[in-house]
Amino acid sequence: EDQVTQSPEALRLQEGESSSLNCSYTVSGLRGLFWYRQDPGKGPEFLFTLYSAGEEKEKERLKATLTKKESFLHITAPKPEDSATYLCAVQGYSSASKIIFGSGTRLSIRP
Amino acid sequence: NAGVTQTPKFQVLKTGQSMTLQCAQDMNHNSMYWYRQDPGMGLRLIYYSASEGTTDKGEVPNGYNVSRLNKREFSLRLESAAPSQTSVYFCASSEASSNTYEQYFGPGTRLTVT
Repeated sequence: EDQVTQSPEALRLQEGESSSLNCSYTVSGLRGLFWYRQDPGKGPEFLFTLYSAGEEKEKERLKATLTKKESFLHITAPKPEDSATYLCAVQGYSSASKIIFGSGTRLSIRP
Repeated sequence: NAGVTQTPKFQVLKTGQSMTLQCAQDMNHNSMYWYRQDPGMGLRLIYYSASEGTTDKGEVPNGYNVSRLNKREFSLRLESAAPSQTSVYFCASSEASSNTYEQYFGPGTRLTVT
């Protein structure tokens, strides 16, 4: 059964303090791993798709990396506007259109 | 482009009442999805429609029905609402190609069942 576990559940950082969020997954043949950002009261917003181990993608202060068992979302010199819940999701080749989501990491950046 | 739109934004129901949540997308996507989001449990798939004319159950389909009205619209119906269905409901769509299934989400419907 496909599974996604995110850690930590919550993370509080000072502005400018870099850190990483973890997403561990088990899937029977990875089609794609996705990262989303969700602001309070809004729907998730797509950030990245990673397809194979070793792949990296960047957007502003965010960089996502992928290994065979986990993905990291690195945030460099974060600003208060980066505060949000970050969701990880996976899709396996056996699950057709279905994507399995983790429960997210709530990131709070203090000015 | 409005992307994915959902109506209503908020709804309060009494136990046993019925209602339909509406979703529409203007991105010409083939696939559409309904999720519920509860604290600490992440997004759970209720039903999905891989293409117009098809629907399939997700992880938590009990108590719900769906209709893929056309390529743009996908509705979710609660026939007899229960307090356990209090949640935030999100609709999403994706262009299912050979490589990518990125989903694009609507703003959500916040449903309370008393």
